[in-house]
Amino acid sequence: AQKITQTQPGMFVQEKEAVTLDCTYDTSDQSYGLFWYKQPSSGEMIFLIYQGSYDEQNATEGRYSLNFQKARKSANLVISASQLGDSAMYFCAMRENDYKLSFGAGTTVTVRA
Amino acid sequence: NAGVTQTPKFQVLKTGQSMTLQCAQDMNHNSMYWYRQDPGMGLRLIYYSASEGTTDKGEVPNGYNVSRLNKREFSLRLESAAPSQTSVYFCASSEAPGGLLPRDTQYFGPGTRLTVL
Repeated sequence: AQKITQTQPGMFVQEKEAVTLDCTYDTSDQSYGLFWYKQPSSGEMIFLIYQGSYDEQNATEGRYSLNFQKARKSANLVISASQLGDSAMYFCAMRENDYKLSFGAGTTVTVRA
Repeated sequence: NAGVTQTPKFQVLKTGQSMTLQCAQDMNHNSMYWYRQDPGMGLRLIYYSASEGTTDKGEVPNGYNVSRLNKREFSLRLESAAPSQTSVYFCASSEAPGGLLPRDTQYFGPGTRLTVL
């Protein structure tokens, strides 16, 4: 079974608007971590934000915030005030008590001027 | 700090040829990883090294070998390349403090784009 599901293959957003990228996960572990990475067209994987399963508050890092709904097993990424440089592929990933990161298939975001 | 570096950036091989992808990190991290990324998919773990001197298989290890040369370096070898190994290969590293794996962030290198003809 897929551990991470990203249902939006591609999204368009107007510059300066906010965009929400969906991510649902599947685990029976109590302790796990959720990560978002950005992959621009240049190809590198850039770490954006982390949410722990026991963290009571939603994580925020600058314009990135994570809408964590544990009961629904969702960890959506919100990018506020979108910029042209935000155009990229975004991956949700989960780490259980294991060395492996399980990745979703990714969502492509295109920011329009 | 260069972070995680990988060489080469691009490589074209013929079926049956061998090659080694190199990875080094300067963050004094304990754990290192090799992933592959295929079109339309997220990354999949090939091998990892939890600490210097140890290596373990990930999800898709067939056709690959690895060597943890020292704490800084972790190489991936294709002994007899096949077209199915055409992919982008990423090396990553993490601090991996014991017992806190779910909180451990992995940092990635720039990737190697490999084509096997």
